[in-house]
Amino acid sequence: TQLLEQSPQFLSIQEGENLTVYCNSSSVFSSLQWYRQEPGEGPVLLVTVVTGGEVKKLKRLTFQFGDARKDSSLHITAAQPGDTGLYLCAGLATQGGSEKLVFGKGTKLTVNP
Amino acid sequence: GEEVAQTPKHLVRGEGQKAKLYCAPIKGHSYVFWYQQVLKNEFKFLISFQNENVFDETGMPKERFSAKCLPNSPCSLEIQATKLEDSAVYFCASSQDRRGKNIQYFGAGTRLSVL
Repeated sequence: TQLLEQSPQFLSIQEGENLTVYCNSSSVFSSLQWYRQEPGEGPVLLVTVVTGGEVKKLKRLTFQFGDARKDSSLHITAAQPGDTGLYLCAGLATQGGSEKLVFGKGTKLTVNP
Repeated sequence: GEEVAQTPKHLVRGEGQKAKLYCAPIKGHSYVFWYQQVLKNEFKFLISFQNENVFDETGMPKERFSAKCLPNSPCSLEIQATKLEDSAVYFCASSQDRRGKNIQYFGAGTRLSVL
C-alpha cells in the first residue's frame, strides 16, 4: 500500500509569513496533485506535477516535485488570510493497471490578519 | 454538466437503515471515483468506474457497500444496514481519461450522519 505522509497537520501563522508544507513517501508516484478544500466543499485542484524535479508557480504558491517523484512540497510566500484552508497532496498510484489517488492527511492552514 | 453534482448534500440515517448517494459526473468524463472522507480529513478510495464498468473496487467494504454507474443515469453508492462508523463525507470525482495526469474533479460531497 502506498502512503503519503503530509506535514505539518496544523499550521497557524501571521499574515505576511512564509510557510512550507511537505508530502513524503517511500513510493514513486506517476504524478502528484495539490488540492485545497474549503469547509463543506470538495477538494479543488491547484496544480499537478508530473516530472521529477518539476517546479510550478501559481502566484504566491510554489510547488515542487522531488527528483525521484516520491515527495513534494508547497511553499506559500507572504501568506494572506484568504489562503486559510485545508491543503491536500495526492499521489497518483498505479497498481495492477488501475490508477487511484492516494491522499495525504492534509494540512489545515490558518493565516491570522 | 460542467461540474460534478452530488446529491443529497446531507443525509441522516438511523443505524441499520439504507443510504443511497448519487453522483452525476462532468459530461464527457469516462471515469468516476468514490472516496470517503472521515474524521481528521483522511480520504479513503472506495471504487472507480470506467463508464458503467467497475474499474477498481479494492477499497469497497464488500458486505454492505455497492455502487453502480448505469448509462444515462447518475452513478450511485448504496450502503445497506448503515453503521455508526459509516458517518463521513462521501465524495465523487470524475476524470476525462486515465492516461497521464488523470486530473480528477470533485463534487461538493454528501455528508452522511448515522445516528
